[in-house]
Amino acid sequence: SQKIEQNSEALNIQEGKTATLTCNYTNYSPAYLQWYRQDPGRGPVFLLLIRENEKEKRKERLKVTFDTTLKQSLFHITASQPADSATYLCALLKTSYDKVIFGPGTSLSVIP
Amino acid sequence: DAGITQSPRHKVTETGTPVTLRCHQTENHRYMYWYRQDPGHGLRLIHYSYGVKDTDKGEVSDGYSVSRSKTEDFLLTLESATSSQTSVYFCAISERGVMTYEQYFGPGTRLTVT
Repeated sequence: SQKIEQNSEALNIQEGKTATLTCNYTNYSPAYLQWYRQDPGRGPVFLLLIRENEKEKRKERLKVTFDTTLKQSLFHITASQPADSATYLCALLKTSYDKVIFGPGTSLSVIP
Repeated sequence: DAGITQSPRHKVTETGTPVTLRCHQTENHRYMYWYRQDPGHGLRLIHYSYGVKDTDKGEVSDGYSVSRSKTEDFLLTLESATSSQTSVYFCAISERGVMTYEQYFGPGTRLTVT
């Protein structure tokens, strides 16, 4: 069956450093991969989408890579700030009917 | 929250009682979804709708039903609530286009079944 794994442990990093979050998947060939941010008590917020034919996507301090051979996506936040502290979800997209499969999420804490 | 409201925001109910959660959007998006979020499981799709009166099951649909009589409203019903349905429920919408597939989520409903 399809499986999505993200960093199993919460990630704590120092302010100003680059945070790297991992999303691995098995038994799946997604056409798209998305990253969302979720703050406590709130719904997820869409951040980035990357397509299977794209190796890398950037948006301000965010960078996402997508390696279909390794079945892995890396999500980087450069020059991290305490305001970046949240849970980050990766999601894989089926092309039919727009259904999305979400990973369990990784909790990131940026320490001042 | 992109013009999406959910009601109620919190509910405590007893096992065996029926419960209906409402999702309302003002974006006129075609697709609407109901997810549940539980620790260790992430978000799991319950049901979704691709138009008025057009719905389909997600991966955890047992014990749930949905209805969509208007573009803006998507109702999730637990016919007879069980303790395993204690969860946070999120509604989401999307407008499927060629270039964008992102979903916009509501604020969530925390449901406790005692």
